[in-house]
Amino acid sequence: NAGVTQTPKFRILKIGQSMTLQCTQDMNHNYMYWYRQDPGMGLKLIYYSVGAGITDKGEVPNGYNVSRSTTEDFPLRLELAAPSQTSVYFCASRQLSKRTQLIYEQYFGPGTRLTVT
Amino acid sequence: DQQVKQNSPSLSVQEGRISILNCDYTNSMFDYFLWYKKYPAEGPTFLISISSIKDKNEDGRFTVFLNKSAKHLSLHIVPSQPGDSAVYFCAATETSGGGADGLTFGKGTHLIIQP
Repeated sequence: NAGVTQTPKFRILKIGQSMTLQCTQDMNHNYMYWYRQDPGMGLKLIYYSVGAGITDKGEVPNGYNVSRSTTEDFPLRLELAAPSQTSVYFCASRQLSKRTQLIYEQYFGPGTRLTVT
Repeated sequence: DQQVKQNSPSLSVQEGRISILNCDYTNSMFDYFLWYKKYPAEGPTFLISISSIKDKNEDGRFTVFLNKSAKHLSLHIVPSQPGDSAVYFCAATETSGGGADGLTFGKGTHLIIQP
């Protein structure tokens, strides 16, 4: 059981290039999330998904796109990289809360450190 | 506008003593609170949480206290150990909205345990 895995660990992009950050979870969680963390700041929500085929914007979605074709995978796409997208990106997942048990904790991957120059 | 605030960027505590990390929030719709621990070059790991229907939750050396009227929560670690040195994030969410309950994070407090 690997939990949440992310690839790549590091990447340097030139301005205007595009890339996809990969995220996979093997816990059969319905909910998945993308966050970014800038230096000295807390994590900010980019996009989230409540299940395959369903995605929605978070607090900072501009410049990003996502898709969710399977329960396991939730890739994040940067189409035209800009220096403002230099950050550490974290993917997370959580299971559905049950009526008898509140479950809101999210499990995070190790992160992708992206530099755009 | 920061909805979750951790006003101490760093905190230094002697090994064996109590560590107290503080967090304030401004959004009265938040009803579930979490603490995460983060080591460098790793993702955050869940530590402990509390629902707004409680004022205290305990798990081993970790206790979280919630004061809803003051919109304040704190994490107590007793006794503090060297492995507790990390950045601690306070996070909050509104569970009644019907969405996916993304978390709103504070900026974090770097806890340093001195031998």
